[in-house]
Amino acid sequence: DQQVKQNSPSLSVQEGRISILNCDYTNSMFDYFLWYKKYPAEGPTFLISISSIKDKNEDGRFTVFLNKSAKHLSLHIVPSQPGDSAVYFCAASYGQNFVFGPGTRLSVLP
Amino acid sequence: KAGVTQTPRYLIKTRGQQVTLSCSPISGHRSVSWYQQTPGQGLQFLFEYFSETQRNKGNFPGRFSGRQFSNSRSEMNVSTLELGDSALYLCASRRGTGGFSEQYFGPGTRLTVT
Repeated sequence: DQQVKQNSPSLSVQEGRISILNCDYTNSMFDYFLWYKKYPAEGPTFLISISSIKDKNEDGRFTVFLNKSAKHLSLHIVPSQPGDSAVYFCAASYGQNFVFGPGTRLSVLP
Repeated sequence: KAGVTQTPRYLIKTRGQQVTLSCSPISGHRSVSWYQQTPGQGLQFLFEYFSETQRNKGNFPGRFSGRQFSNSRSEMNVSTLELGDSALYLCASRRGTGGFSEQYFGPGTRLTVT
C-alpha cells in the first residue's frame, strides 16, 4: 500500500508557465513533507519542505502548498525553466520514517 | 562542505554473487539511510543506521544487510544476487540527532546483475 502517491508519472509545461506537481498521502501521522529533484545519473537533491503546522512555504520560484484535510500537497514552479526538467519526488516524514512517492517526470519545453 | 559520496558508481555482477556498496556521509551527519530506485517504483527504503545501530528497516529480504562504522561511514551488502536486484542504490545522510532534518543524497551506485 503506497502511503505517498504521485499520480502523474509525467508532466510537460511550456517555458515561462507554471508547473504544478501533486502529491497525496494516506498516513495522518506524517508531520513533515519535502520535495526532491533528481537529474539522471545524480542523487536526488532537496528542494523545499513544509511542516504540517503550515499550509504554504515559498522559496524563490518554488512554493509548496499543504492541505492537511485533503492529505494533499503540491509544488508550484513559477516561472518554469528548461533546467527544471527532472524527476520530482514527494516525500513525507514522521519520527524517523521517510516515505517517498514514485516521482513525476517534469519536462519544460523551450 | 563535501557531499555524500558513494563507491563504486557502477557495478556489474552475475546472479548468485554478492556485492558490497559503500557510503560516506556528510561530515557531522550521524544518520545514513539506503534506498533502492527502480523505474516506476520511486525510492524504496532499505534501512537506516544511526550511531552504528540499525534504527529502521524497510520491507526487503534478509539478503540485504548493512552496517555503520564509528566514523558514520556505512556499507550495504546484498548476497545471492538476483536479476531483480538491478537498480540504482542511493545513500542519504542527515544529522538525525533530534527533531526533523532533511536527507542529503549521494550520486548512487548503479548495480547491474546479469
